[in-house]
Amino acid sequence: GQNIDQPTEMTATEGAIVQINCTYQTSGFNGLFWYQQHAGEAPTFLSYNVLDGLEEKGRFSSFLSRSKGYSYLLLKELQMKDSASYLCAAMDSNYQLIWGAGTKLIIKP
Amino acid sequence: GAVVSQHPSWVICKSGTSVKIECRSLDFQATTMFWYRQFPKQSLMLMATSNEGSKATYEQGVEKDKFLINHASLTLSTLTVTSAHPEDSSFYICSAKGGRDTGELFFGEGSRLTVL
Repeated sequence: GQNIDQPTEMTATEGAIVQINCTYQTSGFNGLFWYQQHAGEAPTFLSYNVLDGLEEKGRFSSFLSRSKGYSYLLLKELQMKDSASYLCAAMDSNYQLIWGAGTKLIIKP
Repeated sequence: GAVVSQHPSWVICKSGTSVKIECRSLDFQATTMFWYRQFPKQSLMLMATSNEGSKATYEQGVEKDKFLINHASLTLSTLTVTSAHPEDSSFYICSAKGGRDTGELFFGEGSRLTVL
């Protein structure tokens, strides 16, 4: 079956670095997405990886290992506004997104 | 970037009435749009895939006659919740595939439906 696993909740300190892991199992693979969602709002796109390696975009970086079915989102210099849910989603062979349940990130001062 | 507009943002209706939610791609043509439902503290649940000019493809467990989806043009898809009941109260979100090869989805702002 198809499955996405990510931690339910994580806590980090303002100014620190946090890594949110995601493992996936899909029928075929056409890329791995990370979205940020604040409570009561729609998700916003953060990153897309289809090749192995690290993609850096400002304070956020995303890593993919296709052979391991593994990705992580790395957030540096954490700010209070980074408190949100982070959704991992893998695109299968039919170009459908399989969504994880999301990781709630709590930032403490 | 591409913009998807969803309307209304908030709607409160009486039980038994129908509510229509619109999803528009403002600066690109979206041949495919997706409708999601999200309960509090839970992830997105795909309800249906809407293709322009054809019938929507519903996910298992989603009632077609309850949630009517129309995608009459390349920039507009609508979701109508018919004979709404309190259990239909939820956050409904649409998204559209952009024209880029990444397959990135652009989300509308979401519509919070409360059925009294």
